[in-house]
Amino acid sequence: GIQVEQSPPDLILQEGANSTLRCNFSDSVNNLQWFHQNPWGQLINLFYIPSGTKQNGRLSATTVATERYSLLYISSSQTTDSGVYFCAVDEGDDKIIFGKGTRLHILP
Amino acid sequence: EAQVTQNPRYLITVTGKKLTVTCSQNMNHEYMSWYRQDPGLGLRQIYYSMNVEVTDKGDVPEGYKVSRKEKRNFPLILESPSPNQTSLYFCASGPGNTEAFFGQGTRLTVV
Repeated sequence: GIQVEQSPPDLILQEGANSTLRCNFSDSVNNLQWFHQNPWGQLINLFYIPSGTKQNGRLSATTVATERYSLLYISSSQTTDSGVYFCAVDEGDDKIIFGKGTRLHILP
Repeated sequence: EAQVTQNPRYLITVTGKKLTVTCSQNMNHEYMSWYRQDPGLGLRQIYYSMNVEVTDKGDVPEGYKVSRKEKRNFPLILESPSPNQTSLYFCASGPGNTEAFFGQGTRLTVV
Protein backbone atom coordinates (compact mmCIF):
# COMPACT_ATOMS: atom_id res chain seq x y z
CA GLY A 1 0.00 0.00 0.00
CA ILE A 2 0.90 3.63 -0.22
CA GLN A 3 3.42 5.05 2.24
CA VAL A 4 3.03 8.54 3.68
CA GLU A 5 6.00 10.19 5.35
CA GLN A 6 5.96 13.52 7.10
CA SER A 7 8.88 15.68 8.08
CA PRO A 8 10.15 16.92 10.35
CA PRO A 9 8.66 14.75 13.11
CA ASP A 10 9.06 17.56 15.64
CA LEU A 11 9.49 21.30 15.32
CA ILE A 12 9.95 23.94 17.99
CA LEU A 13 9.70 27.58 16.94
CA GLN A 14 9.42 30.98 18.50
CA GLU A 15 6.17 32.86 18.07
CA GLY A 16 6.23 34.89 14.87
CA ALA A 17 8.45 32.46 12.94
CA ASN A 18 7.48 30.81 9.67
CA SER A 19 7.50 27.06 9.10
CA THR A 20 7.24 24.53 6.30
CA LEU A 21 5.93 21.02 6.88
CA ARG A 22 6.40 18.34 4.27
CA CYS A 23 4.38 15.26 3.27
CA ASN A 24 5.84 12.72 0.84
CA PHE A 25 3.78 9.89 -0.59
CA SER A 26 4.99 6.83 -2.43
CA ASP A 27 2.38 6.56 -5.18
CA SER A 28 -0.12 8.70 -7.06
CA VAL A 29 -3.12 9.76 -4.99
CA ASN A 30 -6.69 10.76 -5.65
CA ASN A 31 -6.80 13.29 -2.90
CA LEU A 32 -4.71 14.75 -0.13
CA GLN A 33 -5.77 16.56 3.01
CA TRP A 34 -4.01 18.40 5.82
CA PHE A 35 -5.34 18.29 9.38
CA HIS A 36 -4.42 19.98 12.63
CA GLN A 37 -4.82 18.19 15.95
CA ASN A 38 -4.78 20.76 18.75
CA PRO A 39 -3.35 20.03 22.21
CA TRP A 40 -6.83 19.04 23.39
CA GLY A 41 -7.03 16.31 20.78
CA GLN A 42 -9.51 17.92 18.42
CA LEU A 43 -8.90 17.23 14.72
CA ILE A 44 -9.61 20.04 12.28
CA ASN A 45 -9.54 19.83 8.51
CA LEU A 46 -7.23 22.50 7.07
CA PHE A 47 -7.03 21.85 3.36
CA TYR A 48 -8.26 19.47 0.72
CA ILE A 49 -5.50 19.78 -1.86
CA PRO A 50 -4.88 16.95 -4.34
CA SER A 51 -2.93 19.39 -6.49
CA GLY A 52 -2.10 23.07 -6.78
CA THR A 53 -1.97 25.75 -4.10
CA LYS A 54 -4.50 27.01 -1.59
CA GLN A 55 -4.35 29.70 1.06
CA ASN A 56 -6.39 30.32 4.17
CA GLY A 57 -5.17 33.24 6.25
CA ARG A 58 -1.68 32.52 7.58
CA LEU A 59 -1.78 28.97 6.27
CA SER A 60 -1.18 27.82 2.76
CA ALA A 61 -0.56 24.47 1.11
CA THR A 62 0.93 23.28 -2.14
CA THR A 63 0.75 19.81 -3.63
CA VAL A 64 2.94 18.74 -6.52
CA ALA A 65 1.22 15.52 -7.46
CA THR A 66 3.72 14.59 -10.21
CA GLU A 67 6.55 14.71 -7.68
CA ARG A 68 4.48 13.11 -4.90
CA TYR A 69 4.78 15.68 -2.17
CA SER A 70 2.79 18.36 -0.42
CA LEU A 71 3.91 21.30 1.69
CA LEU A 72 2.07 23.13 4.44
CA TYR A 73 3.27 26.67 5.18
CA ILE A 74 2.52 28.47 8.42
CA SER A 75 3.48 32.12 8.54
CA SER A 76 3.80 34.34 11.62
CA SER A 77 3.24 31.40 13.96
CA GLN A 78 1.06 31.83 17.02
CA THR A 79 0.93 29.68 20.14
CA THR A 80 -2.50 28.47 19.03
CA ASP A 81 -0.80 26.83 16.04
CA SER A 82 0.79 24.29 18.38
CA GLY A 83 -0.28 20.69 17.99
CA VAL A 84 0.22 17.91 15.50
CA TYR A 85 -0.21 18.34 11.75
CA PHE A 86 -1.23 15.33 9.70
CA CYS A 87 -1.48 14.76 6.01
CA ALA A 88 -3.77 12.03 4.73
CA VAL A 89 -4.12 10.54 1.26
CA ASP A 90 -6.45 8.31 -0.68
CA GLU A 91 -4.79 6.25 -3.39
CA GLY A 92 -8.02 5.56 -5.23
CA ASP A 93 -9.76 2.85 -3.25
CA ASP A 94 -11.47 5.26 -0.82
CA LYS A 95 -9.25 4.00 2.00
CA ILE A 96 -7.50 6.90 3.73
CA ILE A 97 -3.90 6.65 4.94
CA PHE A 98 -2.50 9.14 7.44
CA GLY A 99 1.11 10.11 7.93
CA LYS A 100 2.51 9.96 11.45
CA GLY A 101 2.38 13.71 11.78
CA THR A 102 4.61 16.67 12.60
CA ARG A 103 4.44 17.88 16.19
CA LEU A 104 4.74 21.68 16.25
CA HIS A 105 5.43 23.59 19.44
CA ILE A 106 5.27 27.39 19.27
CA LEU A 107 7.00 29.13 22.16
CA PRO A 108 5.59 32.49 23.39
CA GLU B 1 -24.63 23.40 14.15
CA ALA B 2 -22.87 20.98 11.81
CA GLN B 3 -21.14 18.32 13.82
CA VAL B 4 -20.06 14.74 14.29
CA THR B 5 -21.05 13.41 17.71
CA GLN B 6 -19.41 10.44 19.36
CA ASN B 7 -20.51 8.76 22.57
CA PRO B 8 -19.21 8.01 25.06
CA ARG B 9 -16.19 10.33 25.30
CA TYR B 10 -14.48 8.10 27.86
CA LEU B 11 -14.98 4.41 28.55
CA ILE B 12 -13.26 1.90 30.80
CA THR B 13 -14.34 -1.68 30.32
CA VAL B 14 -13.18 -5.21 31.00
CA THR B 15 -11.85 -7.75 28.54
CA GLY B 16 -14.57 -9.58 26.66
CA LYS B 17 -17.49 -7.30 27.50
CA LYS B 18 -19.17 -6.20 24.28
CA LEU B 19 -19.39 -2.48 23.72
CA THR B 20 -20.64 -0.02 21.13
CA VAL B 21 -19.34 3.47 20.43
CA THR B 22 -21.93 5.54 18.63
CA CYS B 23 -21.27 8.12 15.91
CA SER B 24 -23.83 10.45 14.42
CA GLN B 25 -23.51 13.29 11.89
CA ASN B 26 -26.05 15.93 10.93
CA MET B 27 -24.54 17.04 7.63
CA ASN B 28 -26.12 14.43 5.35
CA HIS B 29 -22.65 13.14 4.48
CA GLU B 30 -22.33 9.95 2.49
CA TYR B 31 -18.86 9.02 3.71
CA MET B 32 -18.19 7.99 7.30
CA SER B 33 -15.22 6.28 8.85
CA TRP B 34 -13.60 5.18 12.09
CA TYR B 35 -9.96 5.65 13.11
CA ARG B 36 -7.87 4.69 16.05
CA GLN B 37 -4.95 6.82 17.21
CA ASP B 38 -2.03 5.30 19.08
CA PRO B 39 1.26 6.89 20.17
CA GLY B 40 3.92 6.53 17.50
CA LEU B 41 1.46 5.04 15.01
CA GLY B 42 -0.68 8.05 14.16
CA LEU B 43 -4.21 7.59 12.91
CA ARG B 44 -5.17 4.31 11.29
CA GLN B 45 -8.44 3.68 9.53
CA ILE B 46 -10.56 0.83 10.94
CA TYR B 47 -13.62 0.80 8.69
CA TYR B 48 -15.25 3.18 6.29
CA SER B 49 -18.60 3.51 4.56
CA MET B 50 -19.36 5.21 1.27
CA ASN B 51 -23.11 5.05 1.79
CA VAL B 52 -25.95 3.28 3.56
CA GLU B 53 -25.45 -0.50 3.71
CA VAL B 54 -21.96 -0.16 2.20
CA THR B 55 -18.99 -0.75 4.49
CA ASP B 56 -15.36 -1.63 3.78
CA LYS B 57 -12.31 -2.56 5.81
CA GLY B 58 -9.61 -0.04 6.46
CA ASP B 59 -6.09 -0.85 7.57
CA VAL B 60 -6.86 -2.33 10.99
CA PRO B 61 -10.35 -3.91 10.98
CA GLU B 62 -9.58 -6.96 13.12
CA GLY B 63 -11.67 -7.12 16.28
CA TYR B 64 -14.15 -4.49 15.13
CA LYS B 65 -17.53 -4.42 13.43
CA VAL B 66 -19.56 -1.58 12.00
CA SER B 67 -23.00 -1.07 10.50
CA ARG B 68 -24.53 1.66 8.34
CA LYS B 69 -28.28 1.20 8.46
CA GLU B 70 -28.95 4.93 8.30
CA LYS B 71 -27.00 7.69 6.63
CA ARG B 72 -26.43 9.66 9.82
CA ASN B 73 -25.23 6.83 12.11
CA PHE B 74 -22.13 4.66 11.98
CA PRO B 75 -21.61 2.73 15.23
CA LEU B 76 -18.38 0.92 16.05
CA ILE B 77 -18.85 -2.42 17.78
CA LEU B 78 -16.26 -4.34 19.75
CA GLU B 79 -17.73 -7.80 20.27
CA SER B 80 -15.01 -9.00 22.64
CA PRO B 81 -12.67 -6.15 23.54
CA SER B 82 -9.07 -6.89 24.41
CA PRO B 83 -6.40 -4.69 26.07
CA ASN B 84 -4.69 -4.08 22.71
CA GLN B 85 -7.82 -2.18 21.66
CA THR B 86 -7.13 0.44 24.29
CA SER B 87 -6.84 3.55 22.17
CA LEU B 88 -8.28 6.92 21.20
CA TYR B 89 -11.02 6.47 18.60
CA PHE B 90 -12.27 9.03 16.12
CA CYS B 91 -15.30 9.00 13.87
CA ALA B 92 -15.31 11.19 10.77
CA SER B 93 -17.71 12.08 8.00
CA GLY B 94 -17.48 13.88 4.67
CA PRO B 95 -19.42 14.59 1.47
CA GLY B 96 -17.02 12.18 -0.22
CA ASN B 97 -13.76 10.77 1.06
CA THR B 98 -12.37 14.27 0.99
CA GLU B 99 -13.10 16.95 3.50
CA ALA B 100 -13.52 15.01 6.66
CA PHE B 101 -15.11 16.38 9.81
CA PHE B 102 -14.07 14.61 12.97
CA GLY B 103 -15.87 13.84 16.17
CA GLN B 104 -14.27 14.76 19.49
CA GLY B 105 -12.89 11.31 20.12
CA THR B 106 -13.58 8.42 22.47
CA ARG B 107 -10.86 7.32 24.85
CA LEU B 108 -11.29 3.60 25.45
CA THR B 109 -9.43 1.61 28.08
CA VAL B 110 -9.80 -2.17 28.19
CA VAL B 111 -8.52 -3.80 31.36
